Amino acid sequence: EIVLTQSPGTLSLSTGERATLSCRASQSVRSNYLAWYQQKPGQAPRLVIYGASTRATGIPDRFSGSGSGTDFTLTISRLEPEDFAVYYCQQYDSSPPELTFGGGTKVEMK
Amino acid sequence: QVQLVQSGADVKKPGASVKVSCKASGYTFTSYGISWVRQAPGQGPEWMGWINAYNGNTNYAQKLQGRVSMTTDTSTSTAYMELRSLTSDDTALYFCARFVSGFYYYFDYWGQGTLVTVSS
Repeated sequence: EIVLTQSPGTLSLSTGERATLSCRASQSVRSNYLAWYQQKPGQAPRLVIYGASTRATGIPDRFSGSGSGTDFTLTISRLEPEDFAVYYCQQYDSSPPELTFGGGTKVEMK
Repeated sequence: QVQLVQSGADVKKPGASVKVSCKASGYTFTSYGISWVRQAPGQGPEWMGWINAYNGNTNYAQKLQGRVSMTTDTSTSTAYMELRSLTSDDTALYFCARFVSGFYYYFDYWGQGTLVTVSS
């Protein structure tokens, strides 16, 4: 099973600052198998990025994804108040077919 | 617009079974899979498995093999998830999600969640 480790656990930033979230895999992950989600309290996760770097429908361009192999990054260029949430990375492994999520990074207001 | 509407909260005793429904609308049900993801209080999401709504093929998380079943009713565009032999560790918020697969693999629309509480 591929394990995803996200860091840091918590990121304390102010509105307007840049957020850089890391997702490291225990084995190489194909870029098209890596996605990111945003989750706010009491809500379902919301797709932010798929294919490591493609923004989902309706996601503003301040969100960007990058990376390959075992290291992936979600960047929020300038934090808006609505961006404070928990972010999870997710990967798909084909053998056997399994999906796993990382432990999450909480982006909180400083 | 795409919507996934789940059944209401449920309380079960240890050893019992629970069945959660997920009614889809706004898209062609058989063109996508449905996946189930659960989230224990204060924890991250955990993938449980998925079902191909076109042919009914399933893939379950190894951890839940033998205890979980996923089915669909294409006449009503509804997916079901049944979990058996419940323990307190199964207390969680259960989500269904539309599953995109093939080249990309991700969940693009989610239900509102169903709280399942296992308590004696």
